[in-house]
Amino acid sequence: GQNIDQPTEMTATEGAIVQINCTYQTSGFNGLFWYQQHAGEAPTFLSYNVLDGLEEKGRFSSFLSRSKGYSYLLLKELQMKDSASYLCAVLDSNYQLIWGAGTKLIIKP
Amino acid sequence: DAMVIQNPRYQVTQFGKPVTLSCSQTLNHNVMYWYQQKSSQAPKLLFHYYDKDFNNEADTPDNFQSRRPNTSFCFLDIRSPGLGDAAMYLCATRPTSGLREVNEQFFGPGTRLTVL
Repeated sequence: GQNIDQPTEMTATEGAIVQINCTYQTSGFNGLFWYQQHAGEAPTFLSYNVLDGLEEKGRFSSFLSRSKGYSYLLLKELQMKDSASYLCAVLDSNYQLIWGAGTKLIIKP
Repeated sequence: DAMVIQNPRYQVTQFGKPVTLSCSQTLNHNVMYWYQQKSSQAPKLLFHYYDKDFNNEADTPDNFQSRRPNTSFCFLDIRSPGLGDAAMYLCATRPTSGLREVNEQFFGPGTRLTVL
């Protein structure tokens, strides 16, 4: 079956760095997405990786290793507004998104 | 600005009373999706359209139906809502041409459905 695993919840301190891991097993791979979702709102796009390596975009970076079925999202200089759920999703061979359940990130002052 | 619009943002219905949720897009994307998302869970794909070709997920209940009368609009009909259908319903679109964007789904703000 298809499976995406990510931690349920993480806590970090304002100004610090946090890494959210995601492992996946899917039928086919056409890229991996990270979305941010604030409570009661729709997911918003953060990053897309289809090749191995690190993609950096401001305070957020995303890493992919296809051979290991592994990705992480790195958030630097954490701000209170970064408190949200972070969803990892893989585009499978049918171009359908397979979603993880999300990691709830709690930022403390 | 080009966008995905969902109406209403909040919908309250009674147990068993049919309800229709709407989604419109100004992005001219070929593919449209309906997802159901319950609290602290991953979005669950209900249907998707590739142009007018309708694709129903195997485990989508018969209680859920969908219509796409044209490229811009898509509707989700819940024929007899139950308490278990209370959720956020997300509409998303995806282009089928372009560079990286061809794989990205663009989400509307969602409709939160409450069933009394």
